[in-house]
Amino acid sequence: QVQLVESGGGVVQPGGSLRLSCAASGFTFNSYPIHWVRQAPGKGLEWVTVAWQDGINKDYADSVKGRFTISRDNFKNTLYLEMNRLRVEDTAVYYCAKRDYWGQGTLVTVSS
Amino acid sequence: QSVLTQPPSASGTPDQRVAISCSGSSSNIGINAVNWFQQLPGTAPKVLIYNNDQRPSGVPDRFSGSKSGTSASLAISGLQSEDEADYYCAAWDESLRIWMFGGGTKLTVL
Repeated sequence: QVQLVESGGGVVQPGGSLRLSCAASGFTFNSYPIHWVRQAPGKGLEWVTVAWQDGINKDYADSVKGRFTISRDNFKNTLYLEMNRLRVEDTAVYYCAKRDYWGQGTLVTVSS
Repeated sequence: QSVLTQPPSASGTPDQRVAISCSGSSSNIGINAVNWFQQLPGTAPKVLIYNNDQRPSGVPDRFSGSKSGTSASLAISGLQSEDEADYYCAAWDESLRIWMFGGGTKLTVL
């Protein structure tokens, strides 16, 4: 069955860095764009970024452009999110998502 | 506009049919597929509908999606108490190059 398992969340100080991973299984990973979507506490869903199937083309929300970098390893079936210069407002649960299935999320807390 | 428009709340009684609307524009819903997600309290979002009207395996056929022009709709028939949740729509926006989400609709089963 399809699985997307996020990891790497935690507590980090403002200005710090964190790297999230999303391990995929149960489908042909290199056939689908994979997104990161986040949800701040008590708020709605906010799209963050997408890595298209070729791993070269990527798009970002304005709120993270220049600070976050998405990448994918189509041999390891894994998606990554490198987050730098983190801000308090980046605090959220981060979900790895494909069009028909989402992971369970990993919590990132940015706090001093 | 960076958010698709959904009503903030909706309600219905058990066994009733309810519909939740999602309004966009020609650069998102008008030309791309719509997704619908259900988020039960304290849980991760679950895909109910993708490609406008397709249900992933395991999603009951009480849930159905449709699209017309720049609007989409999620219909829930035979409403049950466990359907009480937040519902979100989403569609890729070609102009902004973002996956645009609705603000969410809180469904209450009376």
